[in-house]
Amino acid sequence: ETGVTQTPRHLVMGMTNKKSLKCEQHLGHNAMYWYKQSAKKPLELMFVYNFKEQTENNSVPSRFSPECPNSSHLFLHLHTLQPEDSALYLCASSFQREKSYNEQFFGPGTRLTVL
Amino acid sequence: AQSVTQLDSQVPVFEEAPVELRCNYSSSVSVYLFWYVQYPNQGLQLLLKYLSGSTLVKGINGFEAEFNKSQTSFHLRKPSVHISDTAEYFCAVSEISQGAQKLVFGQGTRLTINP
Repeated sequence: ETGVTQTPRHLVMGMTNKKSLKCEQHLGHNAMYWYKQSAKKPLELMFVYNFKEQTENNSVPSRFSPECPNSSHLFLHLHTLQPEDSALYLCASSFQREKSYNEQFFGPGTRLTVL
Repeated sequence: AQSVTQLDSQVPVFEEAPVELRCNYSSSVSVYLFWYVQYPNQGLQLLLKYLSGSTLVKGINGFEAEFNKSQTSFHLRKPSVHISDTAEYFCAVSEISQGAQKLVFGQGTRLTINP
């Protein structure tokens, strides 16, 4: 496996379900990100993990819970979601260096549908 | 905080015609700029990046972009498009927030190639 992988690629869940999205990067990066991409809306940054520590939470509802057990893995735990949470969830990773640029590498995304 | 504006939400073009996708960013002392492409049902893929040096940057698939500091623009161009270029294109700028580098994305431009 190379690059950034995400599983599952598609997920349908009810509002009372609990599920998790998984992201794995094989690039030796030290930062990972979750984005939400909804139809006709800009890409929304949800969470940032830098050296396994969460450095940003952009006012995301508590029904989304991230977990970063190590620098290669990132999870997004989902519970009691709403239909408006249906979207493409993208994971990305990068190598953070002080005073340097941030080129992010993206996974293929998980298409989530909440019924 | 940085912001990125993509002036056109949709651009229809005939095959083999030239295309320009416009991007403007808010000014900064130093800036790193990126163009990403998203094909249907896929994640984002880096097309090209401007870090420093020559203002004309060449990327994959025959695309190029020109960094114009005085106009704070980073427009993407291709002299002759193909059906396979149909995709959504995102301009992004790298900024430091809460001690970490992050990307700020524009709203995206949907490029449609007609035969």
